[in-house]
Amino acid sequence: DQQVKQNSPSLSVQEGRISILNCDYTNSMFDYFLWYKKYPAEGPTFLISISSIKDKNEDGRFTVFLNKSAKHLSLHIVPSQPGDSAVYFCAASGNSGGSNYKLTFGKGTLLTVNP
Amino acid sequence: GAVVSQHPSWVICKSGTSVKIECRSLDFQATTMFWYRQFPKQSLMLMATSNEGSKATYEQGVEKDKFLINHASLTLSTLTVTSAHPEDSSFYICSAGDPADTQYFGPGTRLTVL
Repeated sequence: DQQVKQNSPSLSVQEGRISILNCDYTNSMFDYFLWYKKYPAEGPTFLISISSIKDKNEDGRFTVFLNKSAKHLSLHIVPSQPGDSAVYFCAASGNSGGSNYKLTFGKGTLLTVNP
Repeated sequence: GAVVSQHPSWVICKSGTSVKIECRSLDFQATTMFWYRQFPKQSLMLMATSNEGSKATYEQGVEKDKFLINHASLTLSTLTVTSAHPEDSSFYICSAGDPADTQYFGPGTRLTVL
């Protein structure tokens, strides 16, 4: 049973436009959410996170939105750049996001930004 | 962000041998480290949680006698794949929790068992 779902395995966007990556979760105990970016044969790189007490967190070109009632979050990248092309993983944690608690990952979405 | 290293980055071994992978937090102390496995085009699967000074906690379905984890210091955790077989070939990734921040991942280790 997948508790974190990324239903779009891939997404293709034109450079300069907005990329929207979606993630749904089923476990109501999750209260902290993270997005990671991953290149092939490398470890994931932390991008941005959000606590369940917020509905939006912004960092530069990256914004994460959280809709708790829908158990849905999304990552917006604007403007998208070719260097953003990678697999993006959504992850969730309980215990208010303490770094010592395990993360549950979605299957990832491959983002391709075309020049 | 914090830096987590893994060694080796890739290893090829014969079936039946054991392989040790190291995970180090370079600029912070991590009481907890995590070991993941990733199959091609699949998500990261948590294998175990490594706690400094105590036994690791393994996820359901992960053989603790096959995947030995040792977290002897606040900056080092090791994963030993014992009596490796071709089906153990995979990409192994560790992460470490920076208490002041979040979890950071190592670059991964590609294991190929012949």
